[in-house]
Amino acid sequence: DAGVTQSPTHLIKTRGQQVTLRCSPKSGHDTVSWYQQALGQGPQFIFQYYEEEERQRGNFPDRFSGHQFPNYSSELNVNALLLGDSALYLCASSLGGRVQPQHFGDGTRLSIL
Amino acid sequence: SQELEQSPQSLIVQEGKNLTINCTSSKTLYGLYWYKQKYGEGLIFLMMLQKGGEEKSHEKITAKLDEKKQQSSLHITASQPSHAGIYLCGADNFGNEKLTFGTGTRLTIIP
Repeated sequence: DAGVTQSPTHLIKTRGQQVTLRCSPKSGHDTVSWYQQALGQGPQFIFQYYEEEERQRGNFPDRFSGHQFPNYSSELNVNALLLGDSALYLCASSLGGRVQPQHFGDGTRLSIL
Repeated sequence: SQELEQSPQSLIVQEGKNLTINCTSSKTLYGLYWYKQKYGEGLIFLMMLQKGGEEKSHEKITAKLDEKKQQSSLHITASQPSHAGIYLCGADNFGNEKLTFGTGTRLTIIP
């Protein structure tokens, strides 16, 4: 039973560039949430996708956008990268409509030079 | 003030000793989740608490929820090197699966 998988594991970009991160949810899950974790901090909620739509969003600018595909996998896109976007980006999946824990992937470490 | 505060921020414990980590929310709790994270890696789910007074245990880890105080505690009995890592509490304050996390407690186990 595959858990949440994220790609790539590491990524280095320069300021102003754009990046796309990918996530495949745990088998049987249909809801995907994205979090940003800066060094030494707890994860911060970016947004959540369910039925291919953004269901709720945290306090992040429009430079952060996402998408969910019919197979429930998801992408996180960040435009016009800033140095402050350097962080570990975590994807979590769950089964929508049920109160249950979110399962996290190992994350993508994004470094902005 | 922080929405979710954890204490202590770091903890160094001798192997075999007991320890407690606390998590306090400034908002109503619909669910409280405990996760463990190895440095730079993903979060591993430990336990979920929903009802006031609820207590759950897994191996040597016990978590409790005090709904009135909007607090949760995580207790480890007879700590082992495998318990080392960062413990994070996550709160669902609106019943919508949007989790707010504390800054974490870094646990170090020394021989």
